[in-house]
Amino acid sequence: EVQLVESGGGLVKPGGSLRLSCAGSGFTFSNDWMNWVRQAPGKGLEWVARIISRTAGGTTDYAAPVKGRFTISRDDSKSTLYLQMNGLKTEDTAVYYCATSDTTPGAFDLWGQGTLVTVSS
Amino acid sequence: EIVMTQTPLSSPVTLGQPASISCRSSQSLVRSNGDAYLSWLLQRPGQPPRLLIYKASNRFSGVPDRFSGSGAGTDFTLNISRVEAEDVGVYYCMQATQSPSTFGQGTKLEIK
Repeated sequence: EVQLVESGGGLVKPGGSLRLSCAGSGFTFSNDWMNWVRQAPGKGLEWVARIISRTAGGTTDYAAPVKGRFTISRDDSKSTLYLQMNGLKTEDTAVYYCATSDTTPGAFDLWGQGTLVTVSS
Repeated sequence: EIVMTQTPLSSPVTLGQPASISCRSSQSLVRSNGDAYLSWLLQRPGQPPRLLIYKASNRFSGVPDRFSGSGAGTDFTLNISRVEAEDVGVYYCMQATQSPSTFGQGTKLEIK
């Protein structure tokens, strides 16, 4: 079965750190450009970060609100995507989804179920 | 960044009737290869988003043919020919033509 499964969410205090993981299976993970997208409670979708495939250069890109605090990375040997989140703020509270364009160019056709990150004192 | 604006933000519809959602981008979404990387997603309550339409008018695998997408440049539309109960949720347009990818605010489709 083709799927993405996130883990690592939880409750953290402002200024704290958390690392999210996203395990892929059923597809060639190493070929895919991987993304993190978040959704604050009751709000819309917000793209967070992207890492392209190693064969295409492996470069990363970040949304302005998280640049300098979040780091996206991948381990293709484990088919796993990561998001290291440092200096967390209350406004980072959201469900974090990993997503990819596996078979459709320019569209996110595969999504995980999401993991909830709550930043609160 | 490209701003995506959806209308309406809420759409009460009668079962079996058509529905239409518009999405406008602040810049053209046409890439040098002629493709517009505009997609439509549906998020049902408590679930992750799922892809319906990609490259403006291509139906994703397994999506019922009552869903169709159209448009070019900066103006795009999602049409549902006959709304069914399972179509309830929030619809988002998304552009991936230019980084960062951006989403519309979402349109909540509900049954009258």
